[in-house]
Amino acid sequence: DVKVTQSSRYLVKRTGEKVFLECVQDMDHENMFWYRQDPGLGLRLIYFSYDVKMKEKGDIPEGYSVSREKKERFSLILESASTNQTSMYLCASSLGGVEYGYTFGSGTRLTVV
Amino acid sequence: GDSVTQMEGPVTLSEEAFLTINCTYTATGYPSLFWYVQYPGEGLQLLLKATKADDKGSNKGFEATYRKETTSFHLEKGSVQVSDSAVYFCALSDKDKFYFGSGTKLNVKP
Repeated sequence: DVKVTQSSRYLVKRTGEKVFLECVQDMDHENMFWYRQDPGLGLRLIYFSYDVKMKEKGDIPEGYSVSREKKERFSLILESASTNQTSMYLCASSLGGVEYGYTFGSGTRLTVV
Repeated sequence: GDSVTQMEGPVTLSEEAFLTINCTYTATGYPSLFWYVQYPGEGLQLLLKATKADDKGSNKGFEATYRKETTSFHLEKGSVQVSDSAVYFCALSDKDKFYFGSGTKLNVKP
């Protein structure tokens, strides 16, 4: 089975800190995605990547950046954390092609204080 | 643009009741359709999928049929269990991008 691993389940950070959320997948998937999930808002796409060193903005990229130096790893960076970035962050990967679903990680619940 | 609309929750049922969660979509191309389930404190797991019109996806007693004429992909289960309590997301994939519904929380009481 494909596994998508997010490095932390829970994180607490201070306002203004630079925060790194790490995601690693083990099945050589081309595509990787970062979402945030908030009550009443569902899942919103932050950034995605279809290849190494490639990145595309999703629907809500402001305040975030990403890095994909290796195919298996996709990092989400909060340049200067703010309280409105308190959320559940979900990483996903896919093989590509419309018929394939995503495989999600277990999520990182980030609290910014 | 593409979008997914699903019924708002929460949906509260007694054990062994019949479940329907409605999902309709708008798409410009020929999407694949999915249902994902999220148990408390977890990420999303793929529950079932259908890749073309009239396909039926099924898994763990859940079913959904891809209805192009009504642009729907309703999730059904004949007899729910307490362990089915979770949030269910309808989604479509079109041109390698996913669009998720807002999720429907299901509570099943013993």
